[in-house]
Amino acid sequence: DTAVSQTPKYLVTQMGNDKSIKCEQNLGHDTMYWYKQDSKKFLKIMFSYNNKELIINETVPNRFSPKSPDKAHLNLHINSLELGDSAVYFCASSQAGVSDTQYFGPGTRLTVL
Amino acid sequence: AQKVTQAQTEISVVEKEDVTLDCVYETRDTTYYLFWYKQPPSGELVFLIRRNSFDEQNEISGRYSWNFQKSTSSFNFTITASQVVDSAVYFCALSGLTDSWGKLQFGAGTQVVVTP
Repeated sequence: DTAVSQTPKYLVTQMGNDKSIKCEQNLGHDTMYWYKQDSKKFLKIMFSYNNKELIINETVPNRFSPKSPDKAHLNLHINSLELGDSAVYFCASSQAGVSDTQYFGPGTRLTVL
Repeated sequence: AQKVTQAQTEISVVEKEDVTLDCVYETRDTTYYLFWYKQPPSGELVFLIRRNSFDEQNEISGRYSWNFQKSTSSFNFTITASQVVDSAVYFCALSGLTDSWGKLQFGAGTQVVVTP
């Protein structure tokens, strides 16, 4: 019954590794997002996809690459992980865009050692 | 550019006290949407309310109430008779039509600590 789910919940890895975070929503929404929450709890959007098409791409390093195989899934792949990538990553979804409520997944806590 | 300011970093209250969280926003849009989210210690982000810029009616939901005032660009949130379970970080957020489509601009959050 989980509306927006993410896996894994925790991810601990070494610098330089490549990792992926998966997100799935069963709300039938057309738009999905990735947000990053830093250690001071500040939330900032990274990417947004609408019907598998990238519509928001904030100034995020090229090491981050989102992929949307279908409108219910939005994955985040991170290459060559750095210490500064340590954060909580939230996936969210909404029916469309600006006017609609975004519902968030439980978050993935990424720790880069 | 859009901006959301939550000037209160942390508010500590004793159970049953009322607590008001301030949110001030800046936007050039005439149509925009304001949101409040709660982040309890468990870490998830829980949606509380959405308000569009054309609806200035205040809203009450149980112990929660919201005061939207366009004249002062504020969207404040009050918890009445606070309980320990209200302890969380509360985020105000803004989404506007002319800015990046669907992008939520969050405030820095206000940590609410309710002690028994």
